[in-house]
Order: sequence, then structure tokens, then C-alpha cells
Amino acid sequence: SQQGEEDPQALSIQEGENATMNCSYKTSINNLQWYRQNSGRGLVHLILIRSNEREKHSGRLRVTLDTSKKSSSLLITASRAADTASYFCGSGSRLTFGEGTQLTVNP
Amino acid sequence: GAGVSQSPRYKVAKRGQDVALRCDPISGHVSLFWYQQALGQGPEFLTYFQNEAQLDKSGLPSDRFFAERPEGSVSTLKIQRTQKEDSAVYLCASSLVLLPTVNYGYTFGSGTRLTVV
Repeated sequence: SQQGEEDPQALSIQEGENATMNCSYKTSINNLQWYRQNSGRGLVHLILIRSNEREKHSGRLRVTLDTSKKSSSLLITASRAADTASYFCGSGSRLTFGEGTQLTVNP
Repeated sequence: GAGVSQSPRYKVAKRGQDVALRCDPISGHVSLFWYQQALGQGPEFLTYFQNEAQLDKSGLPSDRFFAERPEGSVSTLKIQRTQKEDSAVYLCASSLVLLPTVNYGYTFGSGTRLTVV
């Protein structure tokens, strides 16, 4: 069973636009992580946010966490074609994932 | 090595055949995980090792699945009497620390794509 649920399932935008993906989870967490997966590859760690943090930035990435709603969002600003990938949130020491958001950035 | 290495990259097995999938984690990484990823789905947790100890195997779907990490480094995921529903990408991940921290997420390999025909 999946711990997290990402939405939307698919997102298509133009280069330069911002992309926002959301994630909900079911049980209490110590931290939540976001990963990117390019087609046919493994997952790449993007950012980790602790349960006592509300927002975190890393380059063009901004992650928020709302523990009262058990939800997180990932914002990618000024998107590039190279950002095209699937994005997953994961939580727990076993790192349980949702089904991911497939982001397509059109040049 | 520089990353997590998995072999083979692709495996085609006839139904009923046994397969062994190998994972070479980053040297010195304590934690090692196996995941199963069906097409269009997120990775599903299978099992977790801390050094050579298998601390959690609750995600293994049946007793046909077996994993080992005898010397706390290389790990092998074995699937006996493969079935069509076993077709998936099997991902291995390792981590320097026991639990993820700000500076240490999990490093994934590129996976083994298993197709059972």
C-alpha cells in the first residue's frame, strides 16, 4: 500500500513556467523527502524537510510541509526542459512512496 | 564506487525460472533497501538491511522472494519460480546513515528491469 499520494498525476507546462506538485501522506512522519526519476533511471534525492519545518528552499526548488493537513508541496520555479521527469514524495524510514507526478516541460 | 550499481540491467526470465538480482551499494553505506516498481507506479518497499542484518522484510510479496547481504556490502534479491506478476523494475538504494537526514537521502541504483514471459 502506498503511504503518499501525489497530485496531479500528470502536469504539462511550458519552459519558464512554475510547476507545483502536491503530496499527501497518511501517518505521522519525522521527515518527508522528494525525489525525481527520469525515465528508465533510479530515483534522485532532491530535498528533505523535517516535520518541524514549514518551508525549505534549494536552488529552484521550494518545499512546504503542513503536518496538520498531512500534506507537502514541491514548487519548481523557472522550469526547464531538463526538469521533465516523475516526481515522488516519500516518508518514513522505509521511504514509502506515492504514485508520483509526471511533469513534462515543453521547450 | 561512485554510485549504487545494479546488475543485470535487464533480465528476461521464463515463468518458473529462478532469478538473482545484484546490488552493489556505495562503499561504507550502512543501510540498503530493495524496492519493486511496476510500470507507471511508485516504488514499493520490499526489504531493508542494516549492515548484514535484515531488519525488515515485511514488503516481500511472497515466500518466493528472498534477499541477503551476507557481508554487509553486496546484496542479492532472489526470486524463485518467477511469475508474470513479478515483472517490474527492481530498485536498490543505500544510505550512509541509519535514518535519512538533511544531508543524507537515499542513493538509488538504475534498477533491474525483470520481464517474466
